[in-house]
Amino acid sequence: AQTVTQSQPEMSVQEAETVTLSCTYDTSESDYYLFWYKQPPSRQMILVIRQEAYKQQNATENRFSVNFQKAAKSFSLKISDSQLGDAAMYFCASRTSGSRLTFGEGTQLTVNP
Amino acid sequence: DTEVTQTPKHLVMGMTNKKSLKCEQHMGHRAMYWYKQKAKKPPELMFVYSYEKLSINESVPSRFSPECPNSSLLNLHLHALQPEDSALYLCASSQEGDHTDTQYFGPGTRLTVL
Repeated sequence: AQTVTQSQPEMSVQEAETVTLSCTYDTSESDYYLFWYKQPPSRQMILVIRQEAYKQQNATENRFSVNFQKAAKSFSLKISDSQLGDAAMYFCASRTSGSRLTFGEGTQLTVNP
Repeated sequence: DTEVTQTPKHLVMGMTNKKSLKCEQHMGHRAMYWYKQKAKKPPELMFVYSYEKLSINESVPSRFSPECPNSSLLNLHLHALQPEDSALYLCASSQEGDHTDTQYFGPGTRLTVL
């Protein structure tokens, strides 16, 4: 079984600053995929970034980047130059072969002007 | 285009009503999913269709009945629901249903059962 843990139920950041959201996972598999999804008040789940476990290079998408520490089973999300539109619930998720997409409990991010 | 559409956006129904939720994608994906999400909680998987066949049913009560008429459409038929079934229902799709896929979500249907 796999588990995903987000230890920060809530985070806040000032506009234009940088914030890092934490995520740890536990799996015995070597082949797995990691995701960060964003869910704003509109409630649509939007893919932010995806990381393949076999890739050593950290994934980046514009202002969003991850710090993937495979040995530590850590997958944190860094948001640079935070914008008001980044305010949302962020879910970390993982999936291994033959399993479901497993979500963490989420981190509610507030962006202060 | 990574769009998954869902209708209706909101639905209010009584416990004796029959209603349906609809999901559509035109990305050529062969796997489609239904999730249920309560407020401030992660989505919970309900059903998975792969190549138009039901591949996963997460022990969902029979008052929820999924249907996949074709590879682009996914329905969720609702009958005799309970107030605790009130939630956001999310549809998602992915390329093959494999663990290597990325799931793309629709905007959801907010269901209220009176």
